[in-house]
Amino acid sequence: QQQVKQSPQSLIVQKGGIPIINCAYENTAFDYFPWYQQFPGKGPALLIAIRPDVSEKKEGRFTISFNKSAKQFSLHIMDSQPGDSATYFCAAPGRRALTFGSGTRLQVQP
Amino acid sequence: EPEVTQTPSHQVTQMGQEVILRCVPISNHLYFYWYRQILGQKVEFLVSFYNNEISEKSEIFDDQFSVERPDGSNFTLKIRSTKLEDSAMYFCASGQVDGETQYFGPGTRLLVL
Repeated sequence: QQQVKQSPQSLIVQKGGIPIINCAYENTAFDYFPWYQQFPGKGPALLIAIRPDVSEKKEGRFTISFNKSAKQFSLHIMDSQPGDSATYFCAAPGRRALTFGSGTRLQVQP
Repeated sequence: EPEVTQTPSHQVTQMGQEVILRCVPISNHLYFYWYRQILGQKVEFLVSFYNNEISEKSEIFDDQFSVERPDGSNFTLKIRSTKLEDSAMYFCASGQVDGETQYFGPGTRLLVL
């Protein structure tokens, strides 16, 4: 099963800041890379996902940047808000399963 | 909007007891999964299920675990003889397409005493 390395482990930004979370993956036969957002006591919820045929995808304030040759992808949150405070997980697909990164706990201070 | 549901939300059991965690996946999904998350740690894959059989399982999913789709809507995870280290949040997920978006339920918090 493949490994996914996620950093940083935690992140504190001020409201309006742009937190960046990074992930690196190993080989994969699938071309779909999601980010999940998890609030305390809740299940992970799909935030945004990208296919490596593009290098960037934006949905609202969330942007994924993808570097296929480096096997890395990152999440940027523009104009971050206190409501964005949550744990963020990247994931890489494998056969019939997602391998999750270790998570980044983001705190956006008012 | 359709969602994955799970019951119970919390379960407390004694070590050695059997527990059954229940899930109702999104109705037109074909792929079903169980994951677990030990407190403060990452989400770990347990098992995937497709076409009424296990399609993939992790090393965590040993002989104490089993899954079943007893009817057209429910998907269950059974732990035969619980251990202290089974205490975790268990998430069910479902998806329409293999290798793509998986939708997670709210989880069952299992505490083994």
